[in-house]
Amino acid sequence: QVQLQESGPGLVKPSQTLSLTCTVSGGSISSGSYYWSWIRQPAGKGLEWIGRIYTSGSTNYNPSLKSRVTISVDTSKNQFSLKLSSVTAADTAVYYCARDSGMATIGAWGQGTLVTVSS
Amino acid sequence: QSVLTQPPSASGTPGQRVTISCSGSSSNIGSNTVNWYQQLPGTAPKLLIYSNNQRPSGVPDRFSGSKSGTSASLAISGLQSGDEADYYCAAWDDSLNGPVFGGGTKLTVL
Repeated sequence: QVQLQESGPGLVKPSQTLSLTCTVSGGSISSGSYYWSWIRQPAGKGLEWIGRIYTSGSTNYNPSLKSRVTISVDTSKNQFSLKLSSVTAADTAVYYCARDSGMATIGAWGQGTLVTVSS
Repeated sequence: QSVLTQPPSASGTPGQRVTISCSGSSSNIGSNTVNWYQQLPGTAPKLLIYSNNQRPSGVPDRFSGSKSGTSASLAISGLQSGDEADYYCAAWDDSLNGPVFGGGTKLTVL
């Protein structure tokens, strides 16, 4: 059974870049037809899709964040990563990495990591 | 403001049947399947229903989903205290070219 685990700084200063990594275990990130996604949830609020990367390396991003987001994959480490630039307090949220089978069918989630944007 | 619209709260007593609605548009629910997620307090969301009405292995048949036009519903029968959670609907959006979520419905078991 695949498992996902987010890692990265829990505190980022305004205007800096948020960087998170998701380590996948229990299966190869290169196998199967899956999209590897990032989703966030501000405290007390709903879920927001950030973007995803396919096993081929192709990406698509939420248009509202596209100018600031980069998602990449490192198959040798079975990891994928998120970079969000020029962060503000509005980017404070729990960030989840997830495996998407397509059509918003997200069958596996990481436990989530809280990232706070503050000076 | 979420793309899909859900009531913010719902409630019921143990054993009762409750339904949660989810309203969208032609670019999401109207042309794609709907999934439902359950988020227990302090945990990550879990896939509850996929492809409108399919249950992943391990999800009790007390949970069921349906879709009609640009709306969908999640029904929970035989309500239990352990069902207290936030429930989110989701669908692919052809305009966004990505998944969209409802704002979530907090279910309280009285």
